[in-house]
Amino acid sequence: GENVEQHPSTLSVQEGDSAVIKCTYSDSASNYFPWYKQELGKGPQLIIDIRSNVGEKKDQRIAVTLNKTAKHFSLHITETQPEDSAVYFCAASGRYSTLTFGKGTMLLVSP
Amino acid sequence: DAGVIQSPRHEVTEMGQEVTLRCKPISGHNSLFWYRQTMMRGLELLIYFNNNVPIDDSGMPEDRFSAKMPNASFSTLKIQPSEPRDSAVYFCASTTTGYQGQPQHFGDGTRLSIL
Repeated sequence: GENVEQHPSTLSVQEGDSAVIKCTYSDSASNYFPWYKQELGKGPQLIIDIRSNVGEKKDQRIAVTLNKTAKHFSLHITETQPEDSAVYFCAASGRYSTLTFGKGTMLLVSP
Repeated sequence: DAGVIQSPRHEVTEMGQEVTLRCKPISGHNSLFWYRQTMMRGLELLIYFNNNVPIDDSGMPEDRFSAKMPNASFSTLKIQPSEPRDSAVYFCASTTTGYQGQPQHFGDGTRLSIL
């Protein structure tokens, strides 16, 4: 089955800095890669996603890049703000729209 | 629009008791997923349904766990008998199934504590 590795497990940045989270996947058949943000006491919320026919996607301060050959994808957050502090999960698709999740990255943005 | 609704939000019970978690998916979604989240193991897929039919329950940890989806708007996850190691946050998610992967929408979970 699919295996998703996510790094780093924790990331501390100063407000205004950029943050980068990286993931690798094992199944070359995976074609959809979402990113979720989870705040305390809440369920994961989709923040951005990318499909395998696209190399990069941007939404305001958030961008995702995909390298299909190397089987890795990354989340980039620019101009970080304290409200960006949360746990971020990457995922890769499987059959029947199933997702395999990485173990998560705890992002802490200090004012 | 209403999102995925889970109940109860918190459940505290003694070991050996039966626990039932409930989920109402987003209207129009035809796939439903149950996950368990712990610090040690992260987000684990327990079981998923497509058009109310269980497709893969290989993630269900033991026979003490069972799940049903009697109709398109309701699903339950039952643990009987419960054990302390079942303590975790249980999430339900729903989506539409397509040829390509689709975003899953999560509820806010049920925090389960077994004493």
